[in-house]
Formats: sequence, C-alpha cells, structure tokens
Amino acid sequence: RKEVEQDPGPFNVPEGATVAFNCTYSNSASQSFFWYRQDCRKEPKLLMSVYSSGNEDGRFTAQLNRASQYISLLIRDSKLSDSATYLCVEISNDYKLSFGAGTTVTVRA
Amino acid sequence: NAGVTQTPKFQVLKTGQSMTLQCAQDMNHNSMYWYRQDPGMGLRLIYYSASEGTTDKGEVPNGYNVSRLNKREFSLRLESAAPSQTSVYFCASSEFKGTYGYTFGSGTRLTVV
Repeated sequence: RKEVEQDPGPFNVPEGATVAFNCTYSNSASQSFFWYRQDCRKEPKLLMSVYSSGNEDGRFTAQLNRASQYISLLIRDSKLSDSATYLCVEISNDYKLSFGAGTTVTVRA
Repeated sequence: NAGVTQTPKFQVLKTGQSMTLQCAQDMNHNSMYWYRQDPGMGLRLIYYSASEGTTDKGEVPNGYNVSRLNKREFSLRLESAAPSQTSVYFCASSEFKGTYGYTFGSGTRLTVV
C-alpha cells in the first residue's frame, strides 16, 4: 500500500467555484504534512504546511483529520491560475518526505 | 537568488551510456535530495545527503550513485543507463531535516533509448 494516496482527478471546475480534494496517509504517527503545487513540466513548489488541525492562506485551506488519517485542500473562488497538480506530502518520523502522485485541477473560464 | 540549479535540463542517452546530473544550491542548506518522477507514481527518493560528507539510499537507488562534493553540490551519476531510467529527475534541498519543506530545482528530463 502506498504511504500517501490521492485521487488523481482531474477536477474540472469553473472560475469562481470551490474545489476540494483529499489525501489519505497510512502512518498514524505522522505529524506533519505539506501541500505542493506543480505546474505542467515544472518543479513542485511549496503551497502550504499542515502541522496541526489545519492551516489557511488566502483562498486555500488545508485541514488534517487524524482520526480518519486524511488531509484535505480546499480552494475557494478558483482562478484560472490555480490550474495545476497538487501534491500531498507526508513527513515521516525520520524526516523523509513521501509524495502522493498528485491531484490535477483544471479551472475553466 | 538562484535557489537550486540543475544541469542539464534535457538529455538523451543511449542504453549503456553514462552521465552525471549536477545540482547546486545557494541557500546554505544542509540536506540535499535526488528524486525521480514518473507518470502516476509521484516523486520517489533515489538518494539523499543529510549533511556534507554523508549519503544514504532512498526508495529506488539501484542503478545510481551520488556524490556530495561539498555543502553546495550534490551530483547523481548513471553508470550504465537503461530505458527504465527514462524519467524526470529533481534535485532538492532543505534545512532542519526538511521540516520546513524542500526547495526543488527545475528538473532534468532524461530519455534513454
């Protein structure tokens, strides 16, 4: 079983819509997570960290549900520029990062 | 501020050829990493260097070697390239064991024919 699993999507939403998707993890001891954004044929870039129950940064909200072992990312008021693949990342106890395969979001005009 | 610089950006190799991917960071990070990214599989760790002078195997080290030349530079070598090594390779660096996230280079697209 993969350590971090994501729905690959694609999530195809109109501009201005809200889109949300989850990432499940298998290690119940994991404490910290990241969401990375990756544009087509580019490197991943850190979007936000998720250290406790959640984090909010402008239109982006990340939440951590330890009981069900998943984290979520919600994007409000979607912009065309939000079109990308979003990678869920788990930090293990020995500080190694495990990456999900990504969820693709496409925002249409 | 360049961040993490990888060279080359693109490379085509014939099966059996060797090459070295170069990576340098200017953020004074202690830790550096090499990942490969294949469709549908996410990023997989090849090798990492927690600090200058140390290197360790990651999830998929077979067919690769690394050298941490100094604090700034971490190279990845393919001694005898195979078609299964066709992939996009990313170098990354971090401070504090990655607890604040990694900074990635722009990647090397390698095709082995």
